[in-house]
Amino acid sequence: TQLLEQSPQFLSIQEGENLTVYCNSSSVFSSLQWYRQEPGEGPVLLVTVVTGGEVKKLKRLTFQFGDARKDSSLHITAAQPGDTGLYLCAGEGAQKLVFGQGTRLTINP
Amino acid sequence: DTEVTQTPKHLVMGMTNKKSLKCEQHMGHRAMYWYKQKAKKPPELMFVYSYEKLSINESVPSRFSPECPNSSLLNLHLHALQPEDSALYLCASSQSRKAGTEGTQYFGPGTRLLVL
Repeated sequence: TQLLEQSPQFLSIQEGENLTVYCNSSSVFSSLQWYRQEPGEGPVLLVTVVTGGEVKKLKRLTFQFGDARKDSSLHITAAQPGDTGLYLCAGEGAQKLVFGQGTRLTINP
Repeated sequence: DTEVTQTPKHLVMGMTNKKSLKCEQHMGHRAMYWYKQKAKKPPELMFVYSYEKLSINESVPSRFSPECPNSSLLNLHLHALQPEDSALYLCASSQSRKAGTEGTQYFGPGTRLLVL
């Protein structure tokens, strides 16, 4: 069974600080997605990473896929209150998406 | 346009009711999915359709019945549900079931279901 361990589960920081969220697995994934989800809404795709070592940037968000395609990170620079939400990583497994447990991020003004 | 729409947004039903959830996408995607999400948990896969054929059923109870009338529509028929079935039901679609970018799933806003 493929598992994705996401950490931290909860993170509360002040506006302007930097943060990193990690997703780790012992399994190789053909691709990995990061989503952001607001309460009562569906996950919204932020990025897909496919190639080992790939780095993608989305404004203040930087996503990295590990060289061996077993892990990924999301780094947010100068966090803003609008970044508050649930962040989910999801690896493309053999038959289905494997989700991490999510990181609930709160940015305090 | 990467929009998946779902109706209704909210649904309250009794345990003897029959209702249906609807999902639609116009991105030309050939794979569509149903997920169930409980509070504070990640989505759990229920069903996968590929080219309008059911390809995965994750051992879902028969009180949930999926249907894919055409490549743009996905329904989930509900009958004799239990209170523990209350959850957010998410639909997703992807270009195909191939690995990589083509398999990237786009989610709808969900239907919040309450079973009384």
